[in-house]
Amino acid sequence: QKEVEQNSGPLSVPEGAIASLNCTYSDRVSQSFFWYRQYSGKSPELIMSIYSNGDKEDGRFTAQLNKASQYVSLLIRDSQPSDSATYLCAVENYGGSQGNLIFGKGTKLSVKP
Amino acid sequence: NAGVTQTPKFQVLKTGQSMTLQCAQDMNHNSMYWYRQDPGMGLRLIYYSASEGTTDKGEVPNGYNVSRLNKREFSLRLESAAPSQTSVYFCASNRDRYTEAFFGQGTRLTVV
Repeated sequence: QKEVEQNSGPLSVPEGAIASLNCTYSDRVSQSFFWYRQYSGKSPELIMSIYSNGDKEDGRFTAQLNKASQYVSLLIRDSQPSDSATYLCAVENYGGSQGNLIFGKGTKLSVKP
Repeated sequence: NAGVTQTPKFQVLKTGQSMTLQCAQDMNHNSMYWYRQDPGMGLRLIYYSASEGTTDKGEVPNGYNVSRLNKREFSLRLESAAPSQTSVYFCASNRDRYTEAFFGQGTRLTVV
């Protein structure tokens, strides 16, 4: 069974700080990686996708990928209380009972004013 | 754009009743998925359809059936609901396994 691992948290950071969310995956051949944000009672929404080693920036969000270490991270700069949510890491998979996309269980982030 | 649309948003069933959850996407995606989400369990895949005409079991298929009606629509059926099926159900779709998936707004199902 392939795995996507995340710390469940909660991760608590003060407003304005950098929040760092981490994810490791077990399948070396995975090529596509995604970060989702899920507010309580809502559906997951896509924040970032990353396909190549290195950093990808989008506004206050930076995704980092290291395929050699099988590690994906999400940095949130200037964290705001509105960033408080659960963040899900997802990794592409080659079918089977886990489907085409494997999700981690998520890290709950709390940004305190 | 509507994206992924699920119906209904809320449902209460009695044990033993049946129901079908509907999902439709307007993004011309090939793959569609049904997940359930329970507290502390994360998203668990029930069934998925990699392309029109195919369906495959996920991690927790027991008690469910699916139909990929056409490229747009993927329904989930509970034949005889049980309290253990109380959960939030999400439909999702993507073009293929390399691309991002988009989710419907979810169905909160309670079986009493």
